[in-house]
Amino acid sequence: GQSLEQPSEVTAVEGAIVQINCTYQTSGFYGLSWYQQHDGGAPTFLSYNALDGLEETGRFSSFLSRSDSYGYLLLQELQMKDSASYFCAVRMGNSGGYQKVTFGIGTKLQVIP
Amino acid sequence: ETGVTQSPTHLIKTRGQQVTLRCSSQSGHNTVSWYQQALGQGPQFIFQYYREEENGRGNFPPRFSGLQFPNYSSELNVNALELDDSALYLCASSPGTGGGYTFGSGTRLTVV
Repeated sequence: GQSLEQPSEVTAVEGAIVQINCTYQTSGFYGLSWYQQHDGGAPTFLSYNALDGLEETGRFSSFLSRSDSYGYLLLQELQMKDSASYFCAVRMGNSGGYQKVTFGIGTKLQVIP
Repeated sequence: ETGVTQSPTHLIKTRGQQVTLRCSSQSGHNTVSWYQQALGQGPQFIFQYYREEENGRGNFPPRFSGLQFPNYSSELNVNALELDDSALYLCASSPGTGGGYTFGSGTRLTVV
């Protein structure tokens, strides 16, 4: 089967840097995505990594190591509005293109002054 | 460019009834997937459609079914509703079968 692990809660100070890790077990790996979800809102796409390495988009960066089945989301210059839940999600499939998507439990980030 | 739109936003149904939820994908996106999200949990993958064909399914019973239309909009149908089906149902689209998804705001379904 497939599974993802990520911390359930993280607290960080405004202006600081925080890293949210995600490890996964799956077969037929396509890529790892990160989403932000504020309470009562819908998930918002942040990043997608299909290949090893670091992807940077503004204050957010995402890293993937396929050999280690591991990725992380890095948030820099934290702002109060970054307080939200962050989900990693693995897209997997077979050679015929049949796919599944599995989300982690979500990491609730609290940014404090 | 419009994003993903879902209707209705809220719905109350009685146990045993059937429900149809609708989704319009983002312009240029030919892949649509549906998720169920219970309070305090991550989205659970129901199924995915690519160019009108189902090309992925999660661990949901057959009473959860769907369709994708030629304009890439989609429907989620749930038969014989159960109390545990109460959740936020999210539709998401993507421009192909790789990459991330753009999510709609969801339909909040309450089964009583």
